[in-house]
Amino acid sequence: GAGVSQSPSNKVTEKGKDVELRCDPISGHTALYWYRQSLGQGLEFLIYFQGNSAPDKSGLPSDRFSAERTGGSVSTLTIQRTQQEDSAVYLCASSLYYMNTEAFFGQGTRLTVV
Amino acid sequence: GDSVTQMEGPVTLSEEAFLTINCTYTATGYPSLFWYVQYPGEGLQLLLKATKADDKGSNKGFEATYRKETTSFHLEKGSVQVSDSAVYFCALSGGQAGTALIFGKGTTLSVSS
Repeated sequence: GAGVSQSPSNKVTEKGKDVELRCDPISGHTALYWYRQSLGQGLEFLIYFQGNSAPDKSGLPSDRFSAERTGGSVSTLTIQRTQQEDSAVYLCASSLYYMNTEAFFGQGTRLTVV
Repeated sequence: GDSVTQMEGPVTLSEEAFLTINCTYTATGYPSLFWYVQYPGEGLQLLLKATKADDKGSNKGFEATYRKETTSFHLEKGSVQVSDSAVYFCALSGGQAGTALIFGKGTTLSVSS
């Protein structure tokens, strides 16, 4: 596609439910990143992929969070047993290579846990 | 690990004022440095970048110089406009630790006419 696409754009879920957030990166980009943006908290790094592998998962806040990437393309971020503190905007970005190159961001998924 | 620290906002300026947003970093090796901008209601986009010491990145009247001796990458603009009102993020990637892409907390700039 022309840019990074994220879906859904908005998600309201009940506490305790599982959610899946999807990211379609720019075609041909080998690196894919997930961030969480909360008010006043800036951009919190969650995980990145180089191809289909995730060399650095250190940013995932808890074991309720997981992510995968298939075919070197689409990625899914899954949050199990959601909590209210998970409410935030989840941003995905991709870049041609995993270091030193410009990252292109999607519009984000706004997650609200009620 | 690697980190980025930028000045707290918000920064409030009048049109045509001089802008500086400070950014310092901690990293081993030689990372690349970036400034990203998020305009109201829009996604993050790259503003400028520098890939080695003493490089100057520039775009839309904004400049930043990669200073290894002071581990800084301060953003400057000589004369801001109302349309520059946005959130600005300093970021780094690479370096010896192979850091992917990490960001500072962001600085909100508000320019009034």
